[in-house]
Amino acid sequence: NAGVTQTPKFQVLKTGQSMTLQCAQDMNHEYMSWYRQDPGMGLRLIHYSVGAGITDQGEVPNGYNVSRSTTEDFPLRLLSAAPSQTSVYFCASSLRSGRWESSYEQYFGPGTRLTVT
Amino acid sequence: GNSVTQMEGPVTLSEEAFLTINCTYTATGYPSLFWYVQYPGEGLQLLLKATKADDKGSNKGFEATYRKETTSFHLEKGSVQVSDSAVYFCALSSGSNYKLTFGKGTLLTVNP
Repeated sequence: NAGVTQTPKFQVLKTGQSMTLQCAQDMNHEYMSWYRQDPGMGLRLIHYSVGAGITDQGEVPNGYNVSRSTTEDFPLRLLSAAPSQTSVYFCASSLRSGRWESSYEQYFGPGTRLTVT
Repeated sequence: GNSVTQMEGPVTLSEEAFLTINCTYTATGYPSLFWYVQYPGEGLQLLLKATKADDKGSNKGFEATYRKETTSFHLEKGSVQVSDSAVYFCALSSGSNYKLTFGKGTLLTVNP
């Protein structure tokens, strides 16, 4: 298994440009999510999905869109990039089954480092 | 709401020193608690977890005990190595596991 893959690894955008960060997993996980990591802030949840066709907002959703048309893929779209979106973005996935759902490990991708100038 | 407070770094130790990174939490219900580690240039990976009070998670010489009475989940290791240099995140989930709440992370540097 490749696990969770993310592309690209690095990206530089100009203010106002749009782009899509790709995320894919091959573990048949139902849950997928996007986080951003900023210095001194830890990781903050942007959007998440509990299955194909179902998405919801996390803690910091403004400026981002997501869709989940398949179990495997969960792309994150930046509609009009702003310097405040300069960050490292992580995609994660986990199982959704069983009584103790909250105990399941989340698997993280290697991250995309985005700079908006 | 849920929150995690962990010891601010950076923490610098010599090889074979004892490590403690403090973590306390606020949560509704009965959360599961996690420590994740991020090595330089990589994504996060699970180090250990505990799902109920008094559980002890352990992995690679690291340990943490779920203390409900003090709402704490402190990370310890008896003898650190240079290869343990990384950022450590305490996290919790309550209810649905996709909503992980993270602390701000603690940078650990171990010198030979």
